[in-house]
Amino acid sequence: EIVMTQSPATLSVSPGERATLSCRASQSVRSNLAWYQQKPGQAPRLLLYGASTRATGVPARFSGSGSGTEFTLTISSLQSEDFAVYYCQQNNNWPPITFGQGTRLEIK
Amino acid sequence: QITLKESGPTLVKPTQTLTLTCTFSGFSLSTSGVGVGWIRQPPGKALEWLALIYWDDDKRYSPSLRSRLTITKDTSKNQVVLTVTNMDPVDTATYYCAPMGLLRSYLAVFDPWGQGTLVTVSS
Repeated sequence: EIVMTQSPATLSVSPGERATLSCRASQSVRSNLAWYQQKPGQAPRLLLYGASTRATGVPARFSGSGSGTEFTLTISSLQSEDFAVYYCQQNNNWPPITFGQGTRLEIK
Repeated sequence: QITLKESGPTLVKPTQTLTLTCTFSGFSLSTSGVGVGWIRQPPGKALEWLALIYWDDDKRYSPSLRSRLTITKDTSKNQVVLTVTNMDPVDTATYYCAPMGLLRSYLAVFDPWGQGTLVTVSS
């Protein structure tokens, strides 16, 4: 099973600043990585797949990079609606499909 | 517009079997490369993938829960059903269903998700 590890667990950033979230895989997942955003009381929403392809309707301030075992989600200028929990998910070697434990992005 | 809705009991007793139904619209589960998966989330915890069924009835299960899970589909009704046997309080979670393969055939990325249904296991 591929273990996905996200860091940090909680990230405090001020609105308008840049946020950088990390996700590490226990073995290479090539570029088969997705990012989801989850707001309180809501279902997760797909942000990025293929490590860097934005899903439909996702603002350009969200970008993803990385391949192999190291991945980054960057939000270039945080808006109030971006404060949420973010999960990475690998879909390279499965079952099982595995998610990271999440990074909570909070307002500083 | 793609929509999914999970339905089933909100409360089950330990050792009982949970049956959840995902009813969807806006896509077809008879399209090659498309599937529907189930994912759960215990309160305050991370997401856990459970099972997935493909358009051709091929199925995949989480190895850690395989012995307790069964996933089936009724293409004519646009429904996918998940059963979980021998429920335990640790199975208390919000259960979500979501399609995969819509962005690219067989791509195991879930989009969009249903609203989820909270299932509590307690005597």
